[in-house]
Amino acid sequence: DIVMTQSPDSLAVSLGETATINCKSSQSVVYSSNNKNYLAWYQHKPGQPPKLLIYWASTRESGVPDRFIGSGSGTDFTLTISSLQAEDVAVYYCHQSYSSLYSFGQGTKLEIK
Amino acid sequence: QVQLVESGGGVVQPGGSLRLSCSTSGFIFSIFGMHWVRQAPGKGLEWVASIRYDGSNKYYADSVKGRFTISRDNSANTLSLHMNSLRAEDTAVYYCARDLEDIVVMVYASTIAFWGQGTLVTVSS
Repeated sequence: DIVMTQSPDSLAVSLGETATINCKSSQSVVYSSNNKNYLAWYQHKPGQPPKLLIYWASTRESGVPDRFIGSGSGTDFTLTISSLQAEDVAVYYCHQSYSSLYSFGQGTKLEIK
Repeated sequence: QVQLVESGGGVVQPGGSLRLSCSTSGFIFSIFGMHWVRQAPGKGLEWVASIRYDGSNKYYADSVKGRFTISRDNSANTLSLHMNSLRAEDTAVYYCARDLEDIVVMVYASTIAFWGQGTLVTVSS
């Protein structure tokens, strides 16, 4: 099974500043035939379902602000949120769908400093 | 638009059974892979089970294998999760979720894109 590990578990960032969340998979999530990373990022707020932000490691879902940037390949990935806004307070999860046995990271709680 | 509506949650005693349903609309259900994901109180997201568009393959997390069964009725646009031998640690909000890409477009695999609002399952005596 692929284990996803996020860091940090929580972070506090000032409004207008940049938040960086890391995600490491226990094995590569790249499919060699199409060179896609089967890695997604979700934003989860209390009382709401998770929201897809980024898929294929760096493709932004429709309607997601360009402040949200996904990067990385293979086993190491990053979600960068620039110009942090109050509405960005949430728990963020990375997720791999490379294996048929899906898995999520443990989550990173983002707060305003 | 894509709509996923879960039902069937409730309170059940340890060792009991429960059946969750997910009614869908706004898309061609029969060409998308579907999933169940849960979140226990105070915990993170946990993938539970997946089923291919045609029901030909089903996958389960180790924590539920042998106790839970995922199924689908493509004629009724409905996804189900049959849960047996329930334990306290199965207490969670259960989300129904849909793949980003359908089987026509998908290459190798997809990812989870759309989620229902969730239904709460509480296992307690």
